[in-house]
This record gives sequence, structure tokens and C-alpha cells, in this order.
Amino acid sequence: EPEVTQTPSHQVTQMGQEVILRCVPISNHLYFYWYRQILGQKVEFLVSFYNNEISEKSEIFDDQFSVERPDGSNFTLKIRSTKLEDSAMYFCASIRGGNEAFFGQGTRLTVV
Amino acid sequence: GENVEQHPSTLSVQEGDSAVIKCTYSDSASNYFPWYKQELGKGPQLIIDIRSNVGEKKDQRIAVTLNKTAKHFSLHITETQPEDSAVYFCAASEGGTDKLIFGTGTRLQVFP
Repeated sequence: EPEVTQTPSHQVTQMGQEVILRCVPISNHLYFYWYRQILGQKVEFLVSFYNNEISEKSEIFDDQFSVERPDGSNFTLKIRSTKLEDSAMYFCASIRGGNEAFFGQGTRLTVV
Repeated sequence: GENVEQHPSTLSVQEGDSAVIKCTYSDSASNYFPWYKQELGKGPQLIIDIRSNVGEKKDQRIAVTLNKTAKHFSLHITETQPEDSAVYFCAASEGGTDKLIFGTGTRLQVFP
């Protein structure tokens, strides 16, 4: 069964460093998302991406965040200068059409 | 914007009993309501969903009901098994979009 894959599974970074989280959505999907889950809390929407541009972003998604689909298969989330409060699980999701969102296994980002 | 409330936060049941988790939403324009199961260290997995033109949907031991007037929807799991133990999240689409707003989660424990 096709699935969304994310790498790395765990990333530890120093505060102020840049990180790139990578996702390979399901191949015939058209809509891509990043969500975040701080430990023990609910899953929060960050950004949606369609047709090579951001379609919507949340208040969390400030100038430190960016997304890219560099080569037609990968979908990346970049955090330019990480802060302690960026520590969370980051989930990538994709949708073909309709609403059914399929989530990846997540990347646990730890900022120290 | 959409706000989703979920209750209870924890639920313990004996194997074979039923479990019910309830969610309310605020945006009357929401038209899609998925339920996700999240096991430890994994991403949310879609287990069942319902659209606003349907009042009830069933898939084996799992059912979801939707009351549009009252703006609430519920997950029902019958004949629970230990492997049903996980965190369950309800979600609602914001307006007519694909953006999902999640509830705060219910930790379900099924004791043998």
C-alpha cells in the first residue's frame, strides 16, 4: 500500500541552526501539508501546498519556515533558525483529491 | 476559524466492552470529519471518516455518527481489543477546505 515517507525519523539540532525535514508524498497526490504536534498536545496545521505554491499557512508558520517541492517528488519543510519551542513531531500529509489525508510517520525534532 | 473539542481525554475499558469518544465543532461550514488512530511513535492513521451529507457510517467494529444540527460527532468502537489501545483524534475540515483542525485526543486503554 502506498504511504507517505518522512526522513529523518529523529533530528537533534542546536538552537539557531537550520533544519530541513523531508517528505515523499504518495505519488499521485496533489495536495501536501505539514502539521506539528508538540509532545502530548494535539496535531496543529502549519501549511498547505498545491500547484507548487503555498495555499494556506497558520500563524505558527512565520518567516522562519519555508516549504519547497524541489524535484516533483520530495516535499521539504525548512526551519531557518530553530528555537527551543520548535521541538515537536512534524508530520507530512498528502491528499489526492477529496479530503482523505494520509500522514507520514513523522520527524521528531529536538532543539537543544 | 474552526474549533474542535474532544472528550474524554482518557478512557479505560475492559476488553469486549464498547468505547465512545465525542467531539464538537464550531464551524457550520465544516463538511468532513475524519478520525485518526495514533500509536506510540507513529503518525496518525485514518480509521474512518464521515461527510456532512451522511448521519452514520460503519466499518466492522468502528462506527461514526454525525449530528450537524448540534455540531457534534462521535466514534464508537464495539468489542474492544487490547490492540485498540492508542490515542484517537477527531478532526474537522475548516470551511470547505482540506485543512484539518484536530481535537485534543483521547487516550484509550483496553485492559485484557
